Amino acid sequence: QQQVKQSPQSLIVQKGGISIINCAYENTAFDYFPWYQQFPGKGPALLIAIRPDVSEKKEGRFTISFNKSAKQFSLHIMDSQPGDSATYFCAPGFQKLVFGTGTRLLVSP
Amino acid sequence: GAGVSQSPSNKVTEKGKDVELRCDPISGHTALYWYRQRLGQGLEFLIYFQGNSAPDKSGLPSDRFSAERTGESVSTLTIQRTQQEDSAVYLCASSLRQGQPQHFGDGTRLSIL
Repeated sequence: QQQVKQSPQSLIVQKGGISIINCAYENTAFDYFPWYQQFPGKGPALLIAIRPDVSEKKEGRFTISFNKSAKQFSLHIMDSQPGDSATYFCAPGFQKLVFGTGTRLLVSP
Repeated sequence: GAGVSQSPSNKVTEKGKDVELRCDPISGHTALYWYRQRLGQGLEFLIYFQGNSAPDKSGLPSDRFSAERTGESVSTLTIQRTQQEDSAVYLCASSLRQGQPQHFGDGTRLSIL
């Protein structure tokens, strides 16, 4: 079975702080490593994604760090804002995505 | 709009009834996916269509679940003889083609009484 483990389950960060969410996977065939952001009552929205040929990708305040040998990747949110409060999912995959269990992020004002 | 559209947004039905959920993908997207999200949990893959190829049904939890897609357009997910454990949000996503980023609709919240 394809296991994807996400941590932490929940996270509280002060405004302006750094939020870090981790994802560990087992299937070495995965070649696409996205993070999705989901607000209540909405579908997940693609936030940022990386392919395995690079170790880091940055888009604005969001950075993915990828460690192929450890089969882990992480999401860093710099200068976290209250509007970033949402649930975040890693969803590595090949032809189809395998979603983690989610991390509820709360950014306090 | 230009996004993935799902209907109905909410559906309440009695145990044992059949339900049909609809997904309109983004125009031009050849790949379409169905997922289930139980309360407070991640998304479970159900089924995947790519163009005219045979669908990948490996995630369907039982033979009560089925899905169809006409060409590269609308898809319907059908649940027969619904059970209370079928209560969840059913999400549809589409992508330009297999392996490309998936874009999600806002889902259908299904409640079985």
